[in-house]
Amino acid sequence: GENVEQHPSTLSVQEGDSAVIKCTYSDSASNYFPWYKQELGKGPQLIIDIRSNVGEKKDQRIAVTLNKTAKHFSLHITETQPEDSAVYFCAANNFGNEKLTFGTGTRLTIIP
Amino acid sequence: NAGVTQTPKFQVLKTGQSMTLQCAQDMNHNSMYWYRQDPGMGLRLIYYSASEGTTDKGEVPNGYNVSRLNKREFSLRLESAAPSQTSVYFCASKAGGNIQYFGAGTRLSVL
Repeated sequence: GENVEQHPSTLSVQEGDSAVIKCTYSDSASNYFPWYKQELGKGPQLIIDIRSNVGEKKDQRIAVTLNKTAKHFSLHITETQPEDSAVYFCAANNFGNEKLTFGTGTRLTIIP
Repeated sequence: NAGVTQTPKFQVLKTGQSMTLQCAQDMNHNSMYWYRQDPGMGLRLIYYSASEGTTDKGEVPNGYNVSRLNKREFSLRLESAAPSQTSVYFCASKAGGNIQYFGAGTRLSVL
């Protein structure tokens, strides 16, 4: 089955700086890679996703990059703000498969 | 627009007690899921239901049972709670695509 590794487990950045979270996956058949954000006391919520037919996707201050050859994908947050403080999860699956495999999460803290 | 609703929000059990975690979604989604979240281990799938009337095991099903009562409701039952089941439990649902929508979670402590 799929195995997703996520690094780092914790990350602190100064407000306004950029943050990068990295994930690797094991199953070459995986072709869908979402990122979820979990705020304190809430459930995870999708913030961006990418399919394997593209290498990069942007949505305002967040972007995701995918390297299929190396089997890794990354979340980039630019111009970080206090409201970006949260736990972020990457995930992977074969699009249409019922099950998502999640990474272990990254706790991001933005320092004012 | 409620989305995915989980009850209760908090629960404390003694070892050996039983309880049922309830989940309901109002988005007419076919698929529903139960996850547990533990520190350093991310979200691990316990059981899922791809459609009304079907259920399948996930990564960590031991000690749990589920019921897909109808299209809206998917419950998780602990028959004899153990301290190892202390966790935060999340229910999620999805339509035909891949986006899963999560509830706010149930924080369970087993003493």
